Amino acid sequence: KNEVEQSPQNLTAQEGEFITINCSYSVGISALHWLQQHPGGGIVSLFMLSSGKKKHGRLIATINIQEKHSSLHITASHPRDSAVYICAVIPTGNQFYFGTGTSLTVIP
Amino acid sequence: DTEVTQTPKHLVMGMTNKKSLKCEQHMGHRAMYWYKQKAKKPPELMFVYSYEKLSINESVPSRFSPECPNSSLLNLHLHALQPEDSALYLCASSQVPWYGYTFGSGTRLTVV
Repeated sequence: KNEVEQSPQNLTAQEGEFITINCSYSVGISALHWLQQHPGGGIVSLFMLSSGKKKHGRLIATINIQEKHSSLHITASHPRDSAVYICAVIPTGNQFYFGTGTSLTVIP
Repeated sequence: DTEVTQTPKHLVMGMTNKKSLKCEQHMGHRAMYWYKQKAKKPPELMFVYSYEKLSINESVPSRFSPECPNSSLLNLHLHALQPEDSALYLCASSQVPWYGYTFGSGTRLTVV
């Protein structure tokens, strides 16, 4: 059983579309991260959330602690957004649990 | 400086070679991590150093040997690796254990 579930696994969008990636988790957490990984590349931390909503440029992340659910939204998607997006949670005082990732392809 | 720098970016080594991966950060982070990532899989934790002491070893084979010479530097020494050890090796650091993570861009290791 995976403590962190992401959906969808794969996503193809046209440039300009609004994109949503969902993350559900089953453990109590102290924080949740959204991570981005380009093909063959390292991981970039996009957001760390423990409550509410954060926005950075065209990216918005929300978390509902009671429902154990988080979403990552990308507005006005662009081909350079094509990457794997990974949700990772940190149970209190414990290590990361990673989701299996959502592979996003944005077509021009 | 807000980066975790990993060198080399790519490494090809034979099964009898000894090599080392290097990870450096100058953010004052006190926890550093090694992860192994196979293609299309999430990263798997290997080692955690907390305040320069090894705090977690996730049952990693002894052919992988971590070293933390100081609070800014983390090495992973490799010896007698197998082809199945080919993967992306990611280093990360955090302000304190598990809080305020920064990942490096990884070393792509191929064992031949």
